[in-house]
This record gives sequence, C-alpha cells and structure tokens, in this order.
Amino acid sequence: QKEVEQDPGPLSVPEGAIVSLNCTYSNSAFQYFMWYRQYSRKGPELLMYTYSSGNKEDGRFTAQVDKSSKYISLFIRDSQPSDSATYLCAIGGDYKLSFGAGTTVTVRA
Amino acid sequence: SAVISQKPSRDICQRGTSLTIQCQVDSQVTMMFWYRQQPGQSLTLIATANQGSEATYESGFVIDKFPISRPNLTFSTLTVSNMSPEDSSIYLCSVAGGSSGATNEKLFFGSGTQLSVL
Repeated sequence: QKEVEQDPGPLSVPEGAIVSLNCTYSNSAFQYFMWYRQYSRKGPELLMYTYSSGNKEDGRFTAQVDKSSKYISLFIRDSQPSDSATYLCAIGGDYKLSFGAGTTVTVRA
Repeated sequence: SAVISQKPSRDICQRGTSLTIQCQVDSQVTMMFWYRQQPGQSLTLIATANQGSEATYESGFVIDKFPISRPNLTFSTLTVSNMSPEDSSIYLCSVAGGSSGATNEKLFFGSGTQLSVL
C-alpha cells in the first residue's frame, strides 16, 4: 500500500467551476500537509501548507485536513484557465515527506 | 522562499554516458534534496545532500549511479552515471523552507531537468 494515494485524473472542468482534489494517507504519524501546483516543464510550487485538522483558506484555494479519516482535500473556487496544472499533495512527518502521484487539471475557457 | 536555479533544463543523452545537473540556491541552506519524477508517478527522493558530509541515499539509489557533490551551502550537483533509457525522467533539486530545515516541512523546488536517454 502506498503511503499517499491520489487520483491521477485527468480532471477537466469549465471555467468558473469548483475543482475538488483529494488524497488519502496511511500513516497517522504524518503531521504536515501540503499542496503543490506544477505547470508543464516547471518544478512544483508550494500552494498550501497546514499542520492541523480543519480548513485553511488562501484566496480561491481552500485546503481541508481530516486527520481522523486520513484524508486531505484541496478546493479551487471560480477556477480559471491559468489553474490548469498538475496538483500534488505532500504529507510529512517524522523527517519524511511523501508525495501523491499528482492530479492533472484542465480548466476549459 | 528560496530561489533555486537548476541547469540544464533539459537534455537528450546517449546510453552509457553521464550527465551532471547543477543546482544553485540564492541563500545558504543546510540540506538540499534531489528528487526524481517519473511520468505518472510520485516524486521520489534520491538523496539528501549536506554540506561537508557524504550524501544520504534512499533505498534503491546508490552513490555509484547518482554521485552528489555539495561543496558549499548554496550549491549542489547530481550526476546520473552510465545512463540507460530507464533513467529518462525529470530530476528536481529542492531545499527545505521550514524553521528546522527538516524534510518534513515545506520544500521549494527548482524548475527541474528533463532527461531523455536514447
């Protein structure tokens, strides 16, 4: 079983829709939860970072963590074509960071 | 966040040759990390490079295949040796941005090196 599972998609939505991305993890010792955005031919860019259960908002982005279910989510409101990218979840703890395989999102104009 | 410059951005190499990837950071960092990103797969940590000591390799990666240098606190290189088509991948340099510099905190990445081996 992989430490972090992420649906690879691809996901295609119309402009203005809400994008919902999810990851599950197996290790309850994980303490830090991150989402990265990766554009084609670029390195991953840190989008959201949290270390507690609950919601964290930053503009159109909301990160949600449910430690009891070992489940994290990223929501993108009012999606734009510029949000088209691959989104990777990353979960860390105990001096180790594990990444999901990434979900490719396309926002259609 | 750190600014990380990585080069080359891409290269096409012949089987059996070696390629050295350079990573330059705009600030001093204790630990630098090298990752591999294969299509459809999650980022995989190759090794952690500390200045002044030998790199620490993850399971499945060995120094003879992926020698790493870390001559100072702002620079590191990763060499992919005796390449085969299976080494075709994106290689990424990263540094930790957390207060402790530990791997479990935020990581910042370079733009990556797209390697194709023929």
